[in-house]
Amino acid sequence: EDQVTQSPEALRLQEGESSSLNCSYTVSGLRGLFWYRQDPGKGPEFLFTLYSAGEEKEKERLKATLTKKESFLHITAPKPEDSATYLCAVQAGETSGSRLTFGEGTQLTVNP
Amino acid sequence: EAEVAQSPRYKITEKSQAVAFWCDPISGHATLYWYRQILGQGPELLVQFQDESVVDDSQLPKDRFSAERLKGVDSTLKIQPAELGDSAMYLCASSQHWNTIYFGEGSWLTVV
Repeated sequence: EDQVTQSPEALRLQEGESSSLNCSYTVSGLRGLFWYRQDPGKGPEFLFTLYSAGEEKEKERLKATLTKKESFLHITAPKPEDSATYLCAVQAGETSGSRLTFGEGTQLTVNP
Repeated sequence: EAEVAQSPRYKITEKSQAVAFWCDPISGHATLYWYRQILGQGPELLVQFQDESVVDDSQLPKDRFSAERLKGVDSTLKIQPAELGDSAMYLCASSQHWNTIYFGEGSWLTVV
């Protein structure tokens, strides 16, 4: 059974204070690891898909990295508008269709 | 920018009543998903369509939930009868390729 564990559950940062969110996963044959941002009361917003260990992707102040067991979402010099819940999800091999298995998310708060 | 459209955004219904949610995917997206997200948790897949065919409904409680996508475009998710434990956000998502899945804003259901 595919499993995704995110840590920490909640993180408070001061504006400009860089940090990382962790996503540990267990999956039989990783097809892709997804990161989403979710604002309160809204649907998840797609950020990145990573495919293989060693891969990195960047978008503004966010950089996602992938190893064989976990992914990190690095936030550099965050701003208050980066406050949101960040969700990690895995997609297993082709026999599982394109179902995403999500973690419970990390709630990030950036104080001005 | 094209979006996944969902309605209604909010629905309050009494236990044992019927409720339905509608989704219009991004134009050209053959794959459509319905996910359920309980507050504080990550989304969980209920059903996945490829065009008008169901490809994964293994997690759909079929005694009370049904989903259809008759013409391979928009889709309806129905719950009958609704139970208190069905209170959650129902998310529709669509994709053209397996590696980029876009979510709508969600439909909040409260069962009283």
